[in-house]
Amino acid sequence: EPEVTQTPSHQVTQMGQEVILRCVPISNHLYFYWYRQILGQKVEFLVSFYNNEISEKSEIFDDQFSVERPDGSNFTLKIRSTKLEDSAMYFCASKGTGGLGTQYFGPGTRLLVL
Amino acid sequence: EDQVTQSPEALRLQEGESSSLNCSYTVSGLRGLFWYRQDPGKGPEFLFTLYSAGEEKEKERLKATLTKKESFLHITAPKPEDSATYLCAVQDLNTGFQKLVFGTGTRLLVSP
Repeated sequence: EPEVTQTPSHQVTQMGQEVILRCVPISNHLYFYWYRQILGQKVEFLVSFYNNEISEKSEIFDDQFSVERPDGSNFTLKIRSTKLEDSAMYFCASKGTGGLGTQYFGPGTRLLVL
Repeated sequence: EDQVTQSPEALRLQEGESSSLNCSYTVSGLRGLFWYRQDPGKGPEFLFTLYSAGEEKEKERLKATLTKKESFLHITAPKPEDSATYLCAVQDLNTGFQKLVFGTGTRLLVSP
């Protein structure tokens, strides 16, 4: 069964460092998303991406964040200068169709900023 | 602003003891309501999508129902392997249909 994969599973970084989280969405899916979940809190939307551009972003997704689809299979989230409060689980999701399609989530990357 | 409230926060059941989880939502227009299961340290796993009031979906011991203000996830004769956090999320038709707005979840523990 096709699934979303994410690497790395865990990332520890120092405050102020740049991190890149990687995702391989389900093949043939067209819509891509990043969400995050701070420990003990709800899953929060960050950004959606379609047709090589951001289609929607939340207030959390400020200038420190960027997304890219560098090739036909990868989807990345970059945090330019990490802060302590960026520590969270980051989930990638993908969806095959517009409108009513279901978003399928990856296993997540646990990011710890020290 | 879209809101999703789930209750109870935590639920402890004995194996075979049926119960229901509640998801109340506020949206300007509902595009879809989604149920996911999340195991500790893992990503949300899709269970059901409901689109209109009166709709019902079933999968093994789980059944999801939808009204205009809330959704229920009924668990019939649960087993220990049903222990997980169950997440409810909505997609709003009018305020950006791509994003999911999640509730905080219900932590279910089923004891043998």
